[in-house]
Amino acid sequence: DIQMTQSPSSVSASVGDRVTITCRASQGISSWLAWYQQKPGKAPKLLIYAASSLQSGVPSRFSGSGSGTDFTLTISSLQPEDFATYYCQQANSFPPHFTFGPGTKVDIK
Amino acid sequence: EVQLLESGGGLVQPGGSLRLSCAASGFTFSSYAMSWVRQAPGKGLEWVSAISGSGGSTYYADSVKGRFTISRDNSKNTLYLQMNSLRAEDTAVYYCAKDLSKNSRRLTAFDIWGQGTMVTVSS
Repeated sequence: DIQMTQSPSSVSASVGDRVTITCRASQGISSWLAWYQQKPGKAPKLLIYAASSLQSGVPSRFSGSGSGTDFTLTISSLQPEDFATYYCQQANSFPPHFTFGPGTKVDIK
Repeated sequence: EVQLLESGGGLVQPGGSLRLSCAASGFTFSSYAMSWVRQAPGKGLEWVSAISGSGGSTYYADSVKGRFTISRDNSKNTLYLQMNSLRAEDTAVYYCAKDLSKNSRRLTAFDIWGQGTMVTVSS
């Protein structure tokens, strides 16, 4: 099974900061990676798919990059509504066997 | 508006059964694969099961294989998860989620999620 790790596990940041979250797969997954944002008590929201494609309606301050085993999610200028937990998810396996990273909590400094 | 609405959660004893439903609206249900994803209290996300748009192909996480059954009724725009032999570690919020890609054999990402339904397994 493909394992996903994320770093850091949490980050404290201020409004306007640039925040970068890293996700690593235990084996190559090409560009089959998605990023989600989840706020407490709410369902996850898709931000990025195919490693770097911005989901419709998601602000352009969110961007994704990477391929193979190493990926990043960048928030270029953190906004108050961005404080949340972020998860990566791989979709390389067939038959499907999705795995999520453990999450990165972004909170207020 | 594209929407998913789960129901059927509740409290069940270990070894018991429960069936979750997910009513879909606002999109051509039969054109999309669907999944169930769960989240234990205070924990991360865990993919549970997926089903193709036609219902002809189903997939399961090792943790639920042989105990859970995913199905769909495209005439009713509804997804199901039959959960048998429930264990304490199955306690979680269960979300249904729509796959991003239309009429695709390859499942990629989950673009629409329901609000979730809580399943508690306890004596």
